Amino acid sequence: EVQLVQSGAEVRKPGESLKISCKASGFSFANNWIGWVRQMPGRGLEWMGNIYPGDSDTRYSPSFQGQVTISADKSINTAYLQWHSLKTSDTAMYFCARLGFSASYYFDYWGQGALVTVSS
Amino acid sequence: KFMLTQPHSVSESPGKTVTISCTRSSGSIASNYVQWYQQRPGSAPTTVIFEDSHRPSGVPDRFSGSIDTSSNSASLTISTLKTEDEADYYCHSYDSDDHREVFGGGTKLTVL
Repeated sequence: EVQLVQSGAEVRKPGESLKISCKASGFSFANNWIGWVRQMPGRGLEWMGNIYPGDSDTRYSPSFQGQVTISADKSINTAYLQWHSLKTSDTAMYFCARLGFSASYYFDYWGQGALVTVSS
Repeated sequence: KFMLTQPHSVSESPGKTVTISCTRSSGSIASNYVQWYQQRPGSAPTTVIFEDSHRPSGVPDRFSGSIDTSSNSASLTISTLKTEDEADYYCHSYDSDDHREVFGGGTKLTVL
């Protein structure tokens, strides 16, 4: 069974760093793209970026390039989303999702989400 | 760069049929497949349609997807509406020119 299990809710102050995780099971993690999606309170889904754990090839949305770092450790089947200096505007739910492939790529399995709250 | 535009909200009664549109702003809707995701309150999204019109296993055949090149849009149709279908629905496609995933703004479906 394909599963993506994300780390728990986090509360941080502005300027602090944070790394959240997404642990995969039930499929070949190294050979599948993993994406990160932001959902701000009461808002829609925003694509942040994708990573291919096999070679760490990473694609960022221009909106998030330089603001976050996406990484993966294929030895433990885990993808990460990292901030070096959080802002209050980073308060959101963050989802990881697998990009499955049939005739094209699409987000076929999603993690349960991780709520990040940034407040002074 | 193209955008995907959805109506902010739709509502319909149980047992009826509703269609949610997703209009591509530039380039052909047929250039890249369209997916539809359902997000119930407090839950993660799940896929209800992939590659324009395909249903993942476990999704009822009350859900169907299509594209219309004349209006440059994709549509999600839900027939025989149930209260459990009340959710936010997002369309998604890939921009192969700029190598980015694109989501529509989402449509809130109310079944009342």
